[in-house]
Amino acid sequence: NAGVMQNPRHLVRRRGQEARLRCSPVKGHSHVYWYRQLPEEGLKFMVYLQKENIIDESGMPKERFSAEFPKEGPSILRIQQVVRGDSAAYFCASSPQTGGRNEQFFGPGTRLTVL
Amino acid sequence: TQLLEQSPQFLSIQEGENLTVYCNSSSVFSSLQWYRQEPGEGPVLLVTVVTGGEVKKLKRLTFQFGDARKDSSLHITAAQTGDTGLYLCAGAGPGAGSYQLTFGKGTKLSVIP
Repeated sequence: NAGVMQNPRHLVRRRGQEARLRCSPVKGHSHVYWYRQLPEEGLKFMVYLQKENIIDESGMPKERFSAEFPKEGPSILRIQQVVRGDSAAYFCASSPQTGGRNEQFFGPGTRLTVL
Repeated sequence: TQLLEQSPQFLSIQEGENLTVYCNSSSVFSSLQWYRQEPGEGPVLLVTVVTGGEVKKLKRLTFQFGDARKDSSLHITAAQTGDTGLYLCAGAGPGAGSYQLTFGKGTKLSVIP
């Protein structure tokens, strides 16, 4: 079984450009979560999506950030007009269901560097 | 706001020694997960504990969930160099349907040969 796949693994952008991060969940998983890990900080929840629906985006900045999980294809985290403070590792996780054990399986992450 | 405090933040031990790391909170969690993260990689799930007082063993690793489901510990017996890594605890809840994981900052373990 393939695990969660993320690409690109490393992304360099200049201030003001757009960053698009892609996540393919574990096959059969319909729940996707995005987390951000800043240097020396723990992982912080950003957004939870199911196919074609954003369930909870309370951890995502209101400006410049958006996420989607279309019916076909990977989940996308999009950051417009990036700033230096967006530099971080972005992790996607997936789960087969919510509730109960709440087990989430993480991808290898995308390391975003904003110059 | 739920917080998870992990201690110690850093731990360096000799191969063959035993160690315990802790994960504490003032909040109750419906489940708690332990992950290990290598540099440049994502967290890898080690175990999930759900019931207060639950103990789970994974080879030389023993995980315990506190009776009140507010804290957890990870004990490693006879540490090996392959145990080196960042150990993260993450809590879900309260409520069985909660999906947001709250992460601690981790314990960075170095096992020296």
